[in-house]
Amino acid sequence: NAGVTQTPKFQVLKTGQSMTLQCAQDMNHNSMYWYRQDPGMGLRLIYYSASEGTTDKGEVPNGYNVSRLNKREFSLRLESAAPSQTSVYFCASSEGRSAAYGYTFGSGTRLTVV
Amino acid sequence: KQEVTQIPAALSVPEGENLVLNCSFTDSAIYNLQWFRQDPGKGLTSLLLIQSSQREQTSGRLNASLDKSSGRSTLYIAASQPGDSATYLCAVGGYGQNFVFGPGTRLSVLP
Repeated sequence: NAGVTQTPKFQVLKTGQSMTLQCAQDMNHNSMYWYRQDPGMGLRLIYYSASEGTTDKGEVPNGYNVSRLNKREFSLRLESAAPSQTSVYFCASSEGRSAAYGYTFGSGTRLTVV
Repeated sequence: KQEVTQIPAALSVPEGENLVLNCSFTDSAIYNLQWFRQDPGKGLTSLLLIQSSQREQTSGRLNASLDKSSGRSTLYIAASQPGDSATYLCAVGGYGQNFVFGPGTRLSVLP
């Protein structure tokens, strides 16, 4: 019962470098989400995918891109990392887009940009 | 725009106490509300999900209530234990909307 799996767990990047955060779920969920968590700011939605083949911006999408590779996988890409993107990133999934369904979270990726 | 607040921001209690965590939201037209627990350096673990048609949900020593009209939910923890120490977050979901998260309450239960 893996649930939502995120890789890597930790990453240090230099300013300007690029990287992709991976997320996969094995619950046959339709919707997937990327959040960032910063001290004093709570969880903020970056991008979401309501269903396979669709993606939409959340509250803080600037500097990020996403790909819904298939129903299981939803990746987050930083094209040119900035220190302001230092954060903990969480992927989540739910059965459907409607808030009738609860969210299941991955364990997070702790990213530091120096 | 939905806004979610949680009071208190931090709470420290001796083991065995019953305690209440509060969550308030500005738009009462919600579909459901979910309570999560987050341990330091870890992800979020779902505790309880309350649909808008429900008034409360229970799981073991946890009881969550929902009052849509007043824009409030409470999480009641009975007979607290040191293992309950964590940050507790509430998330509010509107119709066809993503969840909006509160900032959390950091709970410390002292032995």
